[in-house]
Amino acid sequence: GESVGLHLPTLSVQEGDNSIINCAYSNSASDYFIWYKQESGKGPQFIIDIRSNMDKRQGQRVTVLLNKTVKHLSLQIAATQPGDSAVYFCAENGGGNKLVFGAGTILRVKS
Amino acid sequence: KAGVTQTPRYLIKTRGQQVTLSCSPISGHRSVSWYQQTPGQGLQFLFEYFSETQRNKGNFPGRFSGRQFSNSRSEMNVSTLELGDSALYLCASSFGPLGYNQPQHFGDGTRLSIL
Repeated sequence: GESVGLHLPTLSVQEGDNSIINCAYSNSASDYFIWYKQESGKGPQFIIDIRSNMDKRQGQRVTVLLNKTVKHLSLQIAATQPGDSAVYFCAENGGGNKLVFGAGTILRVKS
Repeated sequence: KAGVTQTPRYLIKTRGQQVTLSCSPISGHRSVSWYQQTPGQGLQFLFEYFSETQRNKGNFPGRFSGRQFSNSRSEMNVSTLELGDSALYLCASSFGPLGYNQPQHFGDGTRLSIL
């Protein structure tokens, strides 16, 4: 369904620890997924994407895992830094040629 | 390479007025999509333009319209503004159209406030 923004969940991690941000998607026909990072006063910034024929993809300090069986997506950030503090969104291309965004998760990094 | 540019960054209007927002995509990108972002509803898709044609539209009233020019620049228009139209309006571009499994790249948005 459409993104519904309510009270966003918050993940607080210590600087240097690993972070895992989760996302449940709704459309089993979705074949493409993207993670975005949005800092205050800025637009969403592309982090990493994954197609449905993969279950894992790695970037620089980030890994995305896709579990199609339970329709779950996760973003892992290694050695979290203060600059990683932001709101993180997952998005799915669920057909209809449009991206549907999740509500977002706030990541707070404690120094 | 310059990113997606949106103008203006901030805009204040009153109810009943109309507004036009502008978006210049990344050079070479031909798809431009518009989104509305609010604290209550999150990020919602408005419409997408590719090669000057609207390909898809979200669940918004006809007061929301847009167009794309031959240089891929796009404008979004909202007529008869309502208080509920206060939001951050985001533009995103990609080389191919939505549905072709390519990431969209966003601008920093236009913050529209309705008084």
